[in-house]
Amino acid sequence: NAGVTQTPKFRVLKTGQSMTLLCAQDMNHEYMYWYRQDPGMGLRLIHYSVGEGTTAKGEVPDGYNVSRLKKQNFLLGLESAAPSQTSVYFCASSYSRGRGNTEAFFGQGTRLTVV
Amino acid sequence: GQQLNQSPQSMFIQEGEDVSMNCTSSSIFNTWLWYKQDPGEGPVLLIALYKAGELTSNGRLTAQFGITRKDSFLNISASIPSDVGIYFCAGQVRGAQKLVFGQGTRLTINP
Repeated sequence: NAGVTQTPKFRVLKTGQSMTLLCAQDMNHEYMYWYRQDPGMGLRLIHYSVGEGTTAKGEVPDGYNVSRLKKQNFLLGLESAAPSQTSVYFCASSYSRGRGNTEAFFGQGTRLTVV
Repeated sequence: GQQLNQSPQSMFIQEGEDVSMNCTSSSIFNTWLWYKQDPGEGPVLLIALYKAGELTSNGRLTAQFGITRKDSFLNISASIPSDVGIYFCAGQVRGAQKLVFGQGTRLTINP
């Protein structure tokens, strides 16, 4: 029972470098999300996807891009990393439940430091 | 966007005490979820609520979907050391495709 798997778990980047965070889920969920977690800020939604080939902006999308080429994968890209993007990133997935999606399941997180 | 206000932000209690925390919103929510996050881990779902007035238990945890649809409560009875962590509420507005999270309640238990 893998659930939601994030890679890598840790990463240190230099300012201006690029990287891609990978999220994979094996629950056949339609919806996938990327959140960032900062001290005292809770979980803030970066981007999300309601199905293969679709993406949408969340609360804090600037500086990030995403792609959902396959239903089971959701990629988060940082084109030019900045120190303000130092954070813990969580991927989540959920299924459609009648009137809406719900019961999101989370990965274990990626701790990213930009120096 | 929708805002969830979760309180208290932190709690320091003695082992064996009961705990109460809540979330309020200015919007009407269709779903309320409660999560717990242990250090270094992702949030884990504790309780899901889908109907106004619904009261659901999971062991020593009980959560309620407020009748106004704008709030939810989580109670933990007879706290134990493994209850330590950060508790998050999350809600979904009807028709929305995303969950909004509260800022979290950090629970610390003194033995």
